[in-house]
Amino acid sequence: GAGVSQTPSNKVTEKGKYVELRCDPISGHTALYWYRQSLGQGPEFLIYFQGTGAADDSGLPNDRFFAVRPEGSVSTLKIQRTERGDSAVYLCASSLTRVAGANVLTFGAGSRLTVL
Amino acid sequence: DQQVKQNSPSLSVQEGRISILNCDYTNSMFDYFLWYKKYPAEGPTFLISISSIKDKNEDGRFTVFLNKSAKHLSLHIVPSQPGDSAVYFCAASLETSYGKLTFGQGTILTVHP
Repeated sequence: GAGVSQTPSNKVTEKGKYVELRCDPISGHTALYWYRQSLGQGPEFLIYFQGTGAADDSGLPNDRFFAVRPEGSVSTLKIQRTERGDSAVYLCASSLTRVAGANVLTFGAGSRLTVL
Repeated sequence: DQQVKQNSPSLSVQEGRISILNCDYTNSMFDYFLWYKKYPAEGPTFLISISSIKDKNEDGRFTVFLNKSAKHLSLHIVPSQPGDSAVYFCAASLETSYGKLTFGQGTILTVHP
């Protein structure tokens, strides 16, 4: 597609429930990233995919968070046993493999998760 | 450990004047610095970047200055326009870290007509 698409745009859930957030990156972009933005803060790195594999998942806060990208395109961020502290905007970004210079990421509009 | 800091939560400027947004960092190993702009309900969009080996990069109305000795960078917008009103994020990355960006907290810029 023309841009990075994220669904749902808004998700309200109850504490303890399971949530899936989907990201459809720009066609042809091999690198995909998930970031999380809490209120009043900048985005924080969660995980990076190069192709189908998670090359760096060091930003995932704990084992309740998991992400997949089975065919190297669409990615799903999965959160188990949600907690109120998980409430945030989850941003997905994609990029081409960098050749030279700064690696410029293109972000989606985000999925706003609210855990009651 | 906040490696990238934007100490001004907000900035208000008159249309046509200069906007100066500041950013400080602690990790001297950063290779690239980027500025992103974010409108409400949209994702951050890339604005301009600078390599650590340079001290200035210009793109139209936007100029980024880097002072490595002070570990400080700034974004200048001249002239400022009402459409520039947004949240501005400073970010930094390492050459080896692909797209792993470390962001500051953001500065809300308001440009008054």
